[in-house]
Amino acid sequence: AQKITQTQPGMFVQEKEAVTLDCTYDTSDQSYGLFWYKQPSSGEMIFLIYQGSYDEQNATEGRYSLNFQKARKSANLVISASQLGDSAMYFCAMRGFGATGRRALTFGSGTRLQVQP
Amino acid sequence: NAGVTQTPKFQVLKTGQSMTLQCAQDMNHEYMSWYRQDPGMGLRLIHYSVGAGITDQGEVPNGYNVSRSTTEDFPLRLLSAAPSQTSVYFCASSKDSTEAFFGQGTRLTVV
Repeated sequence: AQKITQTQPGMFVQEKEAVTLDCTYDTSDQSYGLFWYKQPSSGEMIFLIYQGSYDEQNATEGRYSLNFQKARKSANLVISASQLGDSAMYFCAMRGFGATGRRALTFGSGTRLQVQP
Repeated sequence: NAGVTQTPKFQVLKTGQSMTLQCAQDMNHEYMSWYRQDPGMGLRLIHYSVGAGITDQGEVPNGYNVSRSTTEDFPLRLLSAAPSQTSVYFCASSKDSTEAFFGQGTRLTVV
């Protein structure tokens, strides 16, 4: 079974500062992928970043980076230079590619980020 | 390229009614899935499919049926709606790579 844990129900950050959203995971698959999605108040799911379990370098996409620590089973999202438009719910998710992994995502409970001017 | 299209966007049902939520993708993706999102929670997997003719249950399958007769379509059927099925439903598709594409969601209320 796969499990994603996000321990921060809500976070505040000042505009232009960096923020880290925590995510830990558990899986018995050797090969897996980790995802972060943003859900603004309008409700759609927006893909932000992906990290494969065998990727040696941390993934980056513009202002988003994923701090992947495989031994600690953590996949934290770092947002640099926060903007007001970053205020949203953020979900960590994973997909396993092993025998027990479904070709579907397992989600955490989310972190609500509020960016303050 | 429309991506993943869900219909309807909003629906109100009476307890005991049945209905089908439609999901279609035009990206030739093998993998499709349905999730529900309850207030303040993450998405939970209802059913998923790894290709036409192949479906399997997720975490919360009770009260829902799916079929996958074509690569493009993956409808979700509510057999006898209950107030506990009030939720936002998302359909997603992927090619088993680095991203899953989501539809805009269907907000369902069962009264």
